[in-house]
Amino acid sequence: NAGVTQTPKFRILKIGQSMTLQCTQDMNHNYMYWYRQDPGMGLKLIYYSVGAGITDKGEVPNGYNVSRSTTEDFPLRLELAAPSQTSVYFCASTSTSGSSYEQYFGPGTRLTVT
Amino acid sequence: AQSVSQHNHHVILSEAASLELGCNYSYGGTVNLFWYVQYPGQHLQLLLKYFSGDPLVKGIKGFEAEFIKSKFSFNLRKPSVQWSDTAEYFCAVNGGGSYIPTFGRGTSLIVHP
Repeated sequence: NAGVTQTPKFRILKIGQSMTLQCTQDMNHNYMYWYRQDPGMGLKLIYYSVGAGITDKGEVPNGYNVSRSTTEDFPLRLELAAPSQTSVYFCASTSTSGSSYEQYFGPGTRLTVT
Repeated sequence: AQSVSQHNHHVILSEAASLELGCNYSYGGTVNLFWYVQYPGQHLQLLLKYFSGDPLVKGIKGFEAEFIKSKFSFNLRKPSVQWSDTAEYFCAVNGGGSYIPTFGRGTSLIVHP
């Protein structure tokens, strides 16, 4: 299993540009999450999904959109990039079958908006 | 709403020193507790977890954590750190059977050889 994969690893955007961060998991997990990590601030939840077709906002959803058309994929869209969105973005997944609750994280995407 | 506090934001130790990182949470019901580690330039990975049973849990690489319910704490310990333990450590809590964890702000550990 590849686990959770994310693309791209790095990206530089100009203010106002848009982009999609890709996330795929091959573990058949139903829950998927997007976090952003800023220095000294821990992980902030942007959006999450409990299954295909179902998404919900997290703590910091403004400026982002998500979709979940399949169990495997959970892309994160930035429509009008702003410098405040400079961050490292992590995708994660969890299975609700069994009692693990453990999250599996992708390698991250480092985004710079200038 | 649940919250997680990690008291030490930056810790600097020499090799062979003992480590204890504090984690306190606020949630009155049943919790699942986690410590994740993030090595430089890498993604988060699970270090150890507590669901129920023995409050002293052992994880990978010699780490352990103790759940003290009366203190709402889940402190991480290691008797003797190594240079390779240099990383950021995150405490996380799932309250009441939720699958949406709350993370602490993280503790940056630097171990000098």
